[in-house]
Amino acid sequence: DTGVSQNPRHKITKRGQNVTFRCDPISEHNRLYWYRQTLGQGPEFLTYFQNEAQLEKSRLLSDRFSAERPKGSFSTLEIQRTEQGDSAMYLCASSPVGYNEQFFGPGTRLTVL
Amino acid sequence: QQPVQSPQAVILREGEDAVINCSSSKALYSVHWYRQKHGEAPVFLMILLKGGEQKGHDKISASFNEKKQQSSLYLTASQLSYSGTYFCGRIIQGAQKLVFGQGTRLTINP
Repeated sequence: DTGVSQNPRHKITKRGQNVTFRCDPISEHNRLYWYRQTLGQGPEFLTYFQNEAQLEKSRLLSDRFSAERPKGSFSTLEIQRTEQGDSAMYLCASSPVGYNEQFFGPGTRLTVL
Repeated sequence: QQPVQSPQAVILREGEDAVINCSSSKALYSVHWYRQKHGEAPVFLMILLKGGEQKGHDKISASFNEKKQQSSLYLTASQLSYSGTYFCGRIIQGAQKLVFGQGTRLTINP
């Protein structure tokens, strides 16, 4: 399977703990996006990378959130001091430069107790 | 900024047609349509890039009226596999992020 992969698929954590998610985009896709989706809503943009450069960051992304994409390959999204309001599905997508379609991964469902 | 979709939910019998509308208060330069089944990732359906453009494959097509800042998705002779939540999205000018509508839940019954 050469699609976008995300790990873990599910994460349950206690409030105040740190969590890290990983996204492996389709190989050779320069662009990588992170979105958050809550029940009954469309995905909300969090941040975007072109290669290793983080080019855009949503105001939704508080200081507790950080994302990296070392070497322009996989990406990680870390949430520090998790809050119950962070519970959501975190989706990763990738696309090649100059191509508008974004290919989504299966997501990581985070539950903060 | 978020596109507005209507209706919020549709229930059909297999073989019936449906129209899902997407409108924006901001200028629409392109419209993206995705379908998401419960517990799965959104799957790309199509992009409309120019005003007046229409696209389609199988029995799913879409139109884009740039002047009215609207797009519509047409599903004809619906199949059970069409069930899911449909999202339209717009690209923010000068940026790469997609801003999605709130979704339209489509249920197809046999």
